[in-house]
Amino acid sequence: KAGVTQTPRYLIKTRGQQVTLSCSPISGHRSVSWYQQTPGQGLQFLFEYFSETQRNKGNFPGRFSGRQFSNSRSEMNVSTLELGDSALYLCASRRSQNGEQYFGPGTRLTVT
Amino acid sequence: ILNVEQSPQSLHVQEGDSTNFTCSFPSSNFYALHWYRWETAKSPEALFVMTLNGDEKKKGRISATLNTKEGYSYLYIKGSQPEDSATYLCAFESGSRLTFGEGTQLTVNP
Repeated sequence: KAGVTQTPRYLIKTRGQQVTLSCSPISGHRSVSWYQQTPGQGLQFLFEYFSETQRNKGNFPGRFSGRQFSNSRSEMNVSTLELGDSALYLCASRRSQNGEQYFGPGTRLTVT
Repeated sequence: ILNVEQSPQSLHVQEGDSTNFTCSFPSSNFYALHWYRWETAKSPEALFVMTLNGDEKKKGRISATLNTKEGYSYLYIKGSQPEDSATYLCAFESGSRLTFGEGTQLTVNP
């Protein structure tokens, strides 16, 4: 069974640009969550989607948005990039609430 | 803001030692407690998901306990091996949202 995939794996953008990251969950998983990890910080929750609906959102500015498609694939968008957005962005999928989450390999975003 | 704390921050042990880490979390609005192992250059890997007070789970040499009333969980590794070197994360689930601790970085020296 294929794992969670994320594209692209690495990305370099300049301040002010926008970026879209993609996550394909494990087949049959309808929940996709996104996390940001910066140096010295733990994994910070961005948002969670289930059946195309955002169920929960973390404490991030409105520049961070996401969506989920009918095939459960999810995208995350960051507009007007700032230097502090440089981070590893991880997505994770699971079949149901309180089930195990399976993480993708992450997208390493560098903003210059 | 939910506070999930893990201790110690880092730990160095010798091969064969047994070790344990602590995760403390809010005792209200509890839904589940997750443990993950995160090795360098890999994705976090799920170890356990625990939901009931008093739960104990085991996978090989690794086990975990849960006390939801006082808000803590312990992760134990028996007979540590160099391949156990990783960061161990716990996450408190409330609703569908997971709040992670900053992790315990374990190094097992051969």
